[in-house]
Amino acid sequence: GDSVTQMEGPVTLSEEAFLTINCTYTATGYPSLFWYVQYPGEGLQLLLKATKADDKGSNKGFEATYRKETTSFHLEKGSVQVSDSAVYFCALSEGTGNQFYFGTGTSLTVIP
Amino acid sequence: GAVVSQHPSRVICKSGTSVKIECRSLDFQATTMFWYRQFPKQSLMLMATSNEGSKATYEQGVEKDKFLINHASLTLSTLTVTSAHPEDSSFYICSALGHSSTGELFFGEGSRLTVL
Repeated sequence: GDSVTQMEGPVTLSEEAFLTINCTYTATGYPSLFWYVQYPGEGLQLLLKATKADDKGSNKGFEATYRKETTSFHLEKGSVQVSDSAVYFCALSEGTGNQFYFGTGTSLTVIP
Repeated sequence: GAVVSQHPSRVICKSGTSVKIECRSLDFQATTMFWYRQFPKQSLMLMATSNEGSKATYEQGVEKDKFLINHASLTLSTLTVTSAHPEDSSFYICSALGHSSTGELFFGEGSRLTVL
């Protein structure tokens, strides 16, 4: 069945450091891929998405590229800020998205 | 973008009482909503899929008589935790399926339930 595997945290970085959070997936078809972010005490917000192979999603300086050959959708940011401290979830959905599969989440803390 | 609102954001109740959490899609109609429970180490557990006008579909291991889900309209789904116990204390999050071609999920703000 479909699944998402995400690198385990927690991750602690200094401000302006480079961030990578790995995400790989298993899917039977051609899924859409998502990164969601959860700030403390809040629900999840969509950060970025990609709907087909080689698409790059980007938002707020974050990027992720849909790599079908490696079944990956790694999240990157060149220079993190303290305000990026949150939990990041990788997710996939098949077809019209009626069923979503989430990774376990990666907690990121950015220190000044 | 689409907005999903959850209420209450925090609730404290005594053991044995029932608590209702509402999930509303504010600017779109949601035929499908999902209820998740988030555990302390942040993993999300899908509890059930709520379909407007029909019975919810529960995930394996989720007691449907304990977690009552009602999706009476296209903009409202409710989760009622019946006879709550301390082990039900958790962060409950709802989401609604949007109508974009990618089927994006929109999440509520979450509801923190504490059962004393």
